Amino acid sequence: KAGVTQTPRYLIKTRGQQVTLSCSPISGHRSVSWYQQTPGQGLQFLFEYFSETQRNKGNFPGRFSGRQFSNSRSEMNVSTLELGDSALYLCASGTGQSNEQFFGPGTRLTVL
Amino acid sequence: GQQLNQSPQSMFIQEGEDVSMNCTSSSIFNTWLWYKQDPGEGPVLLIALYKAGELTSNGRLTAQFGITRKDSFLNISASIPSDVGIYFCAGQATDSWGKLQFGAGTQVVVTP
Repeated sequence: KAGVTQTPRYLIKTRGQQVTLSCSPISGHRSVSWYQQTPGQGLQFLFEYFSETQRNKGNFPGRFSGRQFSNSRSEMNVSTLELGDSALYLCASGTGQSNEQFFGPGTRLTVL
Repeated sequence: GQQLNQSPQSMFIQEGEDVSMNCTSSSIFNTWLWYKQDPGEGPVLLIALYKAGELTSNGRLTAQFGITRKDSFLNISASIPSDVGIYFCAGQATDSWGKLQFGAGTQVVVTP
């Protein structure tokens, strides 16, 4: 069974731009969670989607948004990028019935 | 910032030695997970714990869910060079859909 895939793996943007990251969960998994990882703050939860509905949201500004499609694939969008948004963005998939989450390789976003 | 207190921050050990690390939280969790992350990759799930007092092994790894439900421990026995990496604990609270709270990580360095 294929693991979690994320595209693109690397991205360079400039301040003020917006970006969309994509995540394909493990086949059969209906839950997708997104995390931001930085050296200073570690791994922080952004939001979680299950069956196209956002069930939980972390403490990030409204510039961070996401959605989930009927095939469970998920996207997250960051608008009006700031230098501090530079980070590794990780998505994790799960069945939604157990709490185990399986991570993708991440998207490394650099904001210049 | 970090929600969990994970210690130690780093460990320098010789091949063959045992490794112990732990996490404590001010919150009660119903799930504790332990992950390992290699550079440039996403975290890989090592062990999942669901019951207070539960002791679970995965090869040379053993983890325990503390009876207070506010702590967890991970032990690695007879370390080998491929054990190098950053180990994270993560906890999930009841009704906190898809949201894992992570420790800051323990960096393990194994010398021959």
